[in-house]
Amino acid sequence: NAGVTQTPKFQVLKTGQSMTLQCAQDMNHNSMYWYRQDPGMGLRLIYYSASEGTTDKGEVPNGYNVSRLNKREFSLRLESAAPSQTSVYFCASSERVGSKYFGPGTRLTVT
Amino acid sequence: QQPVQSPQAVILREGEDAVINCSSSKALYSVHWYRQKHGEAPVFLMILLKGGEQKGHDKISASFNEKKQQSSLYLTASQLSYSGTYFCGTERTGNQFYFGTGTSLTVIP
Repeated sequence: NAGVTQTPKFQVLKTGQSMTLQCAQDMNHNSMYWYRQDPGMGLRLIYYSASEGTTDKGEVPNGYNVSRLNKREFSLRLESAAPSQTSVYFCASSERVGSKYFGPGTRLTVT
Repeated sequence: QQPVQSPQAVILREGEDAVINCSSSKALYSVHWYRQKHGEAPVFLMILLKGGEQKGHDKISASFNEKKQQSSLYLTASQLSYSGTYFCGTERTGNQFYFGTGTSLTVIP
């Protein structure tokens, strides 16, 4: 039982490059989330998925797209990376009303 | 949309008590509390649902006043292991879940 896994753990991009952050959970949770964490800013919700096949915008969705590929997987795509997207990205999953389980995070630097 | 936490930072000596507050401008369905150690992911502590209940977990407890849209986390007889950043999280309709601004807690010997 791995919980929530994220790949990659670290990534450096140049401005304008694209990439996809992968997230998978093996707890059969319906809800999945993507957050970004900047120093002193706490965790901000980018996108969430209440169930397979649905996705919704959070507080800071601009510059990102998501795909809920199946119940297990929820990916986050940066189409054209910008320095402002330098951050630590966390994926989380939960039941409808329940504790959120987090992945280890992806540390992304955009130069 | 983020709930606001206070204080922003607190330093305690081992054995002292602390209270962290979380306040939202929007109606809440539930309140969660998480602790994050430096360089790690947040870890769930407890959840409080509507009804003004108070929950406890070892020497850490919390209350939820849904009318005031506020929650408080109580840490008693603090230990070195309590150090970290504490976040409240609030659940609203539509499965939206937002974290608070965070409170940095440092416990010193």
